[in-house]
Amino acid sequence: TQLLEQSPQFLSIQEGENLTVYCNSSSVFSSLQWYRQEPGEGPVLLVTVVTGGEVKKLKRLTFQFGDARKDSSLHITAAQTGDTGLYLCAGKEYNFNKFYFGSGTKLNVKP
Amino acid sequence: DTEVTQTPKHLVMGMTNKKSLKCEQHMGHRAMYWYKQKAKKPPELMFVYSYEKLSINESVPSRFSPECPNSSLLNLHLHALQPEDSALYLCASSQVGSYEQYFGPGTRLTVT
Repeated sequence: TQLLEQSPQFLSIQEGENLTVYCNSSSVFSSLQWYRQEPGEGPVLLVTVVTGGEVKKLKRLTFQFGDARKDSSLHITAAQTGDTGLYLCAGKEYNFNKFYFGSGTKLNVKP
Repeated sequence: DTEVTQTPKHLVMGMTNKKSLKCEQHMGHRAMYWYKQKAKKPPELMFVYSYEKLSINESVPSRFSPECPNSSLLNLHLHALQPEDSALYLCASSQVGSYEQYFGPGTRLTVT
Protein backbone atom coordinates (compact mmCIF):
# COMPACT_ATOMS: atom_id res chain seq x y z
CA THR A 1 0.00 0.00 0.00
CA GLN A 2 1.48 3.32 -1.09
CA LEU A 3 0.42 5.81 1.57
CA LEU A 4 2.22 8.77 0.07
CA GLU A 5 1.98 9.74 -3.59
CA GLN A 6 4.42 12.18 -5.11
CA SER A 7 3.96 14.14 -8.29
CA PRO A 8 5.35 14.53 -10.76
CA GLN A 9 7.38 11.32 -10.95
CA PHE A 10 9.89 12.88 -13.35
CA LEU A 11 10.77 16.49 -14.00
CA SER A 12 13.32 17.83 -16.47
CA ILE A 13 13.81 21.59 -16.50
CA GLN A 14 16.33 24.24 -17.50
CA GLU A 15 18.55 25.93 -15.00
CA GLY A 16 16.86 29.05 -13.61
CA GLU A 17 13.30 27.71 -13.80
CA ASN A 18 11.04 27.24 -10.80
CA LEU A 19 9.35 23.97 -9.86
CA THR A 20 7.04 22.44 -7.30
CA VAL A 21 6.87 18.83 -6.13
CA TYR A 22 3.81 17.53 -4.32
CA CYS A 23 3.42 14.82 -1.70
CA ASN A 24 -0.14 13.72 -0.99
CA SER A 25 -1.80 11.19 1.28
CA SER A 26 -5.18 10.25 2.69
CA SER A 27 -3.47 9.56 6.01
CA VAL A 28 -2.55 12.03 8.73
CA PHE A 29 1.08 12.10 9.84
CA SER A 30 2.74 13.47 12.95
CA SER A 31 5.46 14.98 10.76
CA LEU A 32 6.74 14.95 7.24
CA GLN A 33 10.33 14.92 6.02
CA TRP A 34 11.88 15.78 2.67
CA TYR A 35 15.06 14.10 1.49
CA ARG A 36 17.31 14.40 -1.54
CA GLN A 37 19.13 11.32 -2.76
CA GLU A 38 21.89 10.95 -5.33
CA PRO A 39 22.45 7.64 -7.19
CA GLY A 40 24.09 4.99 -5.01
CA GLU A 41 24.01 7.19 -1.90
CA GLY A 42 21.74 7.41 1.13
CA PRO A 43 18.95 9.99 1.36
CA VAL A 44 20.00 13.29 2.93
CA LEU A 45 17.48 14.98 5.18
CA LEU A 46 16.54 18.46 3.91
CA VAL A 47 13.79 19.49 6.30
CA THR A 48 11.17 18.25 8.75
CA VAL A 49 7.75 19.92 9.04
CA VAL A 50 5.65 19.22 12.10
CA THR A 51 2.86 21.77 12.48
CA GLY A 52 -0.12 21.88 10.10
CA GLY A 53 0.24 24.91 7.81
CA GLU A 54 3.93 25.25 8.59
CA VAL A 55 6.21 26.81 5.98
CA LYS A 56 9.98 26.41 6.11
CA LYS A 57 12.58 27.98 3.86
CA LEU A 58 16.03 26.62 3.15
CA LYS A 59 17.77 29.06 0.77
CA ARG A 60 15.98 28.54 -2.57
CA LEU A 61 13.80 25.69 -1.24
CA THR A 62 10.41 26.31 0.37
CA PHE A 63 8.56 23.51 2.14
CA GLN A 64 4.93 23.57 3.21
CA PHE A 65 2.92 21.17 5.37
CA GLY A 66 -0.81 21.07 4.68
CA ASP A 67 -3.23 22.32 7.31
CA ALA A 68 -4.65 18.80 7.71
CA ARG A 69 -1.14 17.26 7.95
CA LYS A 70 -1.86 14.97 4.99
CA ASP A 71 0.13 16.67 2.27
CA SER A 72 3.22 18.72 1.62
CA SER A 73 4.94 20.59 -1.16
CA LEU A 74 8.50 21.48 -2.05
CA HIS A 75 9.09 24.55 -4.19
CA ILE A 76 12.50 25.30 -5.70
CA THR A 77 13.20 28.78 -7.02
CA ALA A 78 15.75 29.31 -9.79
CA ALA A 79 16.82 25.69 -10.00
CA GLN A 80 20.51 24.89 -10.37
CA THR A 81 22.21 21.82 -11.84
CA GLY A 82 23.26 20.90 -8.31
CA ASP A 83 19.58 20.41 -7.42
CA THR A 84 19.46 17.33 -9.65
CA GLY A 85 18.52 14.20 -7.72
CA LEU A 86 15.71 12.06 -6.37
CA TYR A 87 13.43 13.94 -3.97
CA LEU A 88 11.61 11.81 -1.42
CA CYS A 89 8.97 12.74 1.11
CA ALA A 90 8.40 10.57 4.17
CA GLY A 91 5.63 10.72 6.73
CA LYS A 92 5.98 9.55 10.31
CA GLU A 93 3.21 7.61 12.01
CA TYR A 94 1.90 8.73 15.35
CA ASN A 95 3.15 6.60 18.27
CA PHE A 96 5.44 4.39 16.19
CA ASN A 97 8.99 4.72 14.95
CA LYS A 98 7.82 4.10 11.41
CA PHE A 99 8.26 6.32 8.36
CA TYR A 100 6.39 5.86 5.08
CA PHE A 101 8.16 7.02 1.94
CA GLY A 102 6.58 8.62 -1.08
CA SER A 103 7.12 7.27 -4.56
CA GLY A 104 9.84 9.83 -5.32
CA THR A 105 10.36 12.63 -7.85
CA LYS A 106 13.36 12.40 -10.15
CA LEU A 107 14.53 15.94 -10.94
CA ASN A 108 16.97 16.73 -13.72
CA VAL A 109 18.13 20.32 -14.06
CA LYS A 110 19.83 20.98 -17.38
CA PRO A 111 22.49 23.67 -17.81
CA ASP B 1 27.50 15.19 14.03
CA THR B 2 24.70 13.45 12.14
CA GLU B 3 26.77 10.64 10.67
CA VAL B 4 25.67 7.08 10.17
CA THR B 5 28.35 4.81 8.73
CA GLN B 6 27.85 1.58 6.83
CA THR B 7 30.27 -1.12 5.76
CA PRO B 8 31.01 -2.46 3.28
CA LYS B 9 30.20 0.07 0.56
CA HIS B 10 29.82 -2.69 -2.02
CA LEU B 11 29.28 -6.44 -1.60
CA VAL B 12 29.05 -9.21 -4.16
CA MET B 13 27.99 -12.60 -2.85
CA GLY B 14 26.87 -15.94 -4.19
CA MET B 15 23.58 -17.53 -3.29
CA THR B 16 25.25 -19.96 -0.87
CA ASN B 17 27.37 -17.38 0.94
CA LYS B 18 26.89 -15.93 4.41
CA LYS B 19 27.77 -12.28 4.85
CA SER B 20 26.92 -9.39 7.17
CA LEU B 21 26.24 -5.71 6.69
CA LYS B 22 27.24 -3.34 9.46
CA CYS B 23 25.89 0.02 10.55
CA GLU B 24 27.17 2.35 13.27
CA GLN B 25 26.08 5.66 14.74
CA HIS B 26 27.38 7.72 17.67
CA MET B 27 24.55 10.23 17.98
CA GLY B 28 23.00 8.52 20.99
CA HIS B 29 20.02 7.44 18.91
CA ARG B 30 18.08 4.51 20.34
CA ALA B 31 16.06 3.65 17.22
CA MET B 32 17.78 2.04 14.24
CA TYR B 33 16.35 0.92 10.92
CA TRP B 34 17.14 -1.25 7.91
CA TYR B 35 15.68 -0.34 4.54
CA LYS B 36 15.98 -1.98 1.13
CA GLN B 37 15.95 0.17 -1.99
CA LYS B 38 15.67 -1.09 -5.55
CA ALA B 39 16.71 1.11 -8.46
CA LYS B 40 14.42 4.08 -9.08
CA LYS B 41 12.17 3.12 -6.15
CA PRO B 42 11.76 4.60 -2.67
CA PRO B 43 13.28 2.85 0.35
CA GLU B 44 11.21 -0.01 1.79
CA LEU B 45 11.30 -0.55 5.53
CA MET B 46 12.60 -3.96 6.64
CA PHE B 47 13.27 -3.78 10.40
CA VAL B 48 13.12 -1.30 13.27
CA TYR B 49 14.97 -1.62 16.57
CA SER B 50 13.96 0.48 19.56
CA TYR B 51 16.19 0.37 22.64
CA GLU B 52 18.07 -2.55 21.08
CA LYS B 53 14.91 -4.64 20.77
CA LEU B 54 13.26 -5.58 17.49
CA SER B 55 10.02 -3.60 17.35
CA ILE B 56 9.01 -3.88 13.70
CA ASN B 57 9.63 -6.66 11.17
CA GLU B 58 7.93 -5.93 7.87
CA SER B 59 7.45 -9.63 7.00
CA VAL B 60 11.01 -9.92 5.76
CA PRO B 61 12.18 -13.41 4.65
CA SER B 62 14.25 -15.29 7.23
CA ARG B 63 17.31 -15.23 4.98
CA PHE B 64 17.71 -11.69 6.37
CA SER B 65 18.52 -11.72 10.08
CA PRO B 66 18.97 -8.43 11.94
CA GLU B 67 20.97 -7.98 15.13
CA CYS B 68 21.46 -5.00 17.42
CA PRO B 69 24.37 -5.88 19.74
CA ASN B 70 24.43 -2.46 21.43
CA SER B 71 22.95 1.01 21.12
CA SER B 72 25.47 2.10 18.47
CA LEU B 73 25.60 -0.93 16.22
CA LEU B 74 23.18 -2.63 13.88
CA ASN B 75 23.96 -5.67 11.76
CA LEU B 76 22.12 -7.44 8.99
CA HIS B 77 23.14 -11.06 8.51
CA LEU B 78 22.58 -12.49 5.05
CA HIS B 79 22.31 -16.15 4.12
CA ALA B 80 21.12 -18.00 1.02
CA LEU B 81 20.05 -14.84 -0.76
CA GLN B 82 18.42 -14.74 -4.16
CA PRO B 83 19.42 -12.56 -7.14
CA GLU B 84 16.27 -10.48 -6.62
CA ASP B 85 17.69 -9.45 -3.22
CA SER B 86 20.26 -7.34 -5.05
CA ALA B 87 19.63 -3.75 -3.95
CA LEU B 88 20.95 -0.79 -1.97
CA TYR B 89 20.62 -1.55 1.74
CA LEU B 90 20.25 1.54 3.87
CA CYS B 91 20.64 1.94 7.60
CA ALA B 92 19.07 4.86 9.46
CA SER B 93 18.84 6.02 13.05
CA SER B 94 16.73 8.40 15.11
CA GLN B 95 15.83 9.28 18.65
CA VAL B 96 12.91 7.12 19.77
CA GLY B 97 9.78 9.09 18.98
CA SER B 98 11.74 11.71 17.05
CA TYR B 99 10.43 13.25 13.85
CA GLU B 100 13.74 12.87 12.04
CA GLN B 101 15.84 9.94 10.93
CA TYR B 102 19.32 10.05 9.47
CA PHE B 103 20.58 7.68 6.80
CA GLY B 104 23.92 6.08 6.12
CA PRO B 105 25.43 5.96 2.62
CA GLY B 106 24.18 2.42 2.01
CA THR B 107 25.68 -0.90 0.97
CA ARG B 108 25.25 -1.87 -2.68
CA LEU B 109 24.59 -5.63 -2.60
CA THR B 110 24.79 -7.83 -5.67
CA VAL B 111 23.75 -11.48 -5.41
CA THR B 112 25.10 -13.69 -8.19
